[in-house]
Amino acid sequence: ELKVEQNPLFLSMQEGKNYTIYCNYSTTSDRLYWYRQDPGKSLESLFVLLSNGAVKQEGRLMASLDTKARLSTLHITAAVHDLSATYFCAGTQGGSEKLVFGKGMKLTVNP
Amino acid sequence: SAVISQKPSRDICQRGTSLTIQCQVDSQVTMMFWYRQQPGQSLTLIATANQGSEATYESGFVIDKFPISRPNLTFSTLTVSNMSPEDSSIYLCSVAGTEVRSGGYTFGSGTRLTVV
Repeated sequence: ELKVEQNPLFLSMQEGKNYTIYCNYSTTSDRLYWYRQDPGKSLESLFVLLSNGAVKQEGRLMASLDTKARLSTLHITAAVHDLSATYFCAGTQGGSEKLVFGKGMKLTVNP
Repeated sequence: SAVISQKPSRDICQRGTSLTIQCQVDSQVTMMFWYRQQPGQSLTLIATANQGSEATYESGFVIDKFPISRPNLTFSTLTVSNMSPEDSSIYLCSVAGTEVRSGGYTFGSGTRLTVV
């Protein structure tokens, strides 16, 4: 059974700083997803990572996937307040279309 | 990507009553998923709904409590039955279609349920 673990679960950082957050998963995952959720809102898709070595970037966020290490990272560059949100990673397993979510990381970017 | 209309966006309900949540998709999709997100928590899959067949429930969720309908390829409902305060959560529907392998999943806007 796929398990997805994120760390840290809470992060407070200053604007302009860089940071990397981690998503480990327990067994082979077909695909790895990153989502953003603002308070009281639904989930917004950020990245879909399909293969080993995949790297995707959008603005100040860059996601990567290492299937051998069963690890995905989300790197934040020069954080701004607007990035404050909860970030979830999720994976699928064994051809299933069901998403298994990590617990989420609540990011607060302070001016 | 698909667009989902989810209703209601929020409701406050009395314990012992039931609430039906609707999700309408603007395109035909094979699978629809229903999730629960308890306050401050992650998302937990309740069930997978395929058109023309019974929904498949995850461990800890039963049809009597969360009956699901999937009458066609663009619509599904989730009912939360005989509610108690522990059912207070956000409920979200999600779809997987032809884009799932490249574009990810799409989520509805969520239903924030408070049971008093």
